Amino acid sequence: EDQVTQSPEALRLQEGESSSLNCSYTVSGLRGLFWYRQDPGKGPEFLFTLYSAGEEKEKERLKATLTKKESFLHITAPKPEDSATYLCAVQAMDSSYKLIFGSGTRLLVRP
Amino acid sequence: NAGVTQTPKFQVLKTGQSMTLQCAQDMNHNSMYWYRQDPGMGLRLIYYSASEGTTDKGEVPNGYNVSRLNKREFSLRLESAAPSQTSVYFCASSDLAGVYEQYFGPGTRLTVT
Repeated sequence: EDQVTQSPEALRLQEGESSSLNCSYTVSGLRGLFWYRQDPGKGPEFLFTLYSAGEEKEKERLKATLTKKESFLHITAPKPEDSATYLCAVQAMDSSYKLIFGSGTRLLVRP
Repeated sequence: NAGVTQTPKFQVLKTGQSMTLQCAQDMNHNSMYWYRQDPGMGLRLIYYSASEGTTDKGEVPNGYNVSRLNKREFSLRLESAAPSQTSVYFCASSDLAGVYEQYFGPGTRLTVT
């Protein structure tokens, strides 16, 4: 069964304290892996798509990486405005439409 | 350019009542989706429409119906609401099915008492 597990469930960081969020997945052939950011009371906001192992993408203080079994979202020198829930989702090769989402990691960055 | 819009933002229903959630996108996307989000369970796909004129069931379709009114609009109907349908509902759209990213609306928070 296709599955996505995110860890930790919650993470508290001091401003400037770098860390990583993990997304482990099992899927019968990966078509793509997606990272989203979700603020309280809002819809998910698209961040990155990764297609193959070894691929990396960056945006400001965020960098996403992909291996054959997991993806990491690295946050470098975070700021309080990076506080949000970060969602990971995968799309299998045999599914053109369905995204399988993890439960997310709630990140709190304290000043 | 508003992206994906949803109405209403909040709704309270009594068990057995019906309602329709509205969704519209102005990005000229072909595919549209309805998800529900419950604490600790992640987003789950209810129904999707790969293109205008087509709809298909997702992971949790029971108790819901959808209509792809035109390329821009995709509605979700609850015929007889149940407390188990208390959730936050998100509509999303994507350019084409496949690896194109999905863009989400702001959500509708529904409570069924």
